[in-house]
Amino acid sequence: DVKVTQSSRYLVKRTGEKVFLECVQDMDHENMFWYRQDPGLGLRLIYFSYDVKMKEKGDIPEGYSVSREKKERFSLILESASTNQTSMYLCASSTGGLYSPLHFGNGTRLTVT
Amino acid sequence: RKEVEQDPGPFNVPEGATVAFNCTYSNSASQSFFWYRQDCRKEPKLLMSVYSSGNEDGRFTAQLNRASQYISLLIRDSKLSDSATYLCVFFSSGDGDSSASKIIFGSGTRLSIRP
Repeated sequence: DVKVTQSSRYLVKRTGEKVFLECVQDMDHENMFWYRQDPGLGLRLIYFSYDVKMKEKGDIPEGYSVSREKKERFSLILESASTNQTSMYLCASSTGGLYSPLHFGNGTRLTVT
Repeated sequence: RKEVEQDPGPFNVPEGATVAFNCTYSNSASQSFFWYRQDCRKEPKLLMSVYSSGNEDGRFTAQLNRASQYISLLIRDSKLSDSATYLCVFFSSGDGDSSASKIIFGSGTRLSIRP
């Protein structure tokens, strides 16, 4: 079974803090993704990566950056957390290609106060 | 037109009932289709892929209608444990310089099964 692990289940940070969300997958997947999910807005893609050191902006990249130094690890960075970044953050991975479904981690619920 | 439209529900049906919901997509280049299930405050989990000829997995049947551009999910003999939000997902070829597929999530249909 594919395992995608997010480092924290719940996180509380203060406005202005730098926040790191870590994601690790154990299936040698090429593609990794970061989404946020908010009530009424569904899943929105922040960034994705289809190879080590490669990254592409998703639909809502502002206020975020990412890092993929190793194939199995994809980090999401909030440079200066703001209250509007309070959300559920979901990491996902896939083998790539059109017929490979995404496998999600169990999510990090981030609260910025 | 929205890329994907999904009835948000909630669908509230009695245990044992059959329930079906659809998801329409606007991009005719969409090439692969999936249904995910998401429980409250949990991550989405793959329920089933949707194949052109339709496919079944136990009580669940998924169908694709390319002409009308929608997919459907039918749940027979519904159980209390089927209560969840069901998300449709479409993949289409990447555009521009990106080799990655474009992945579109529906906003989800909430299903509640009552005893």
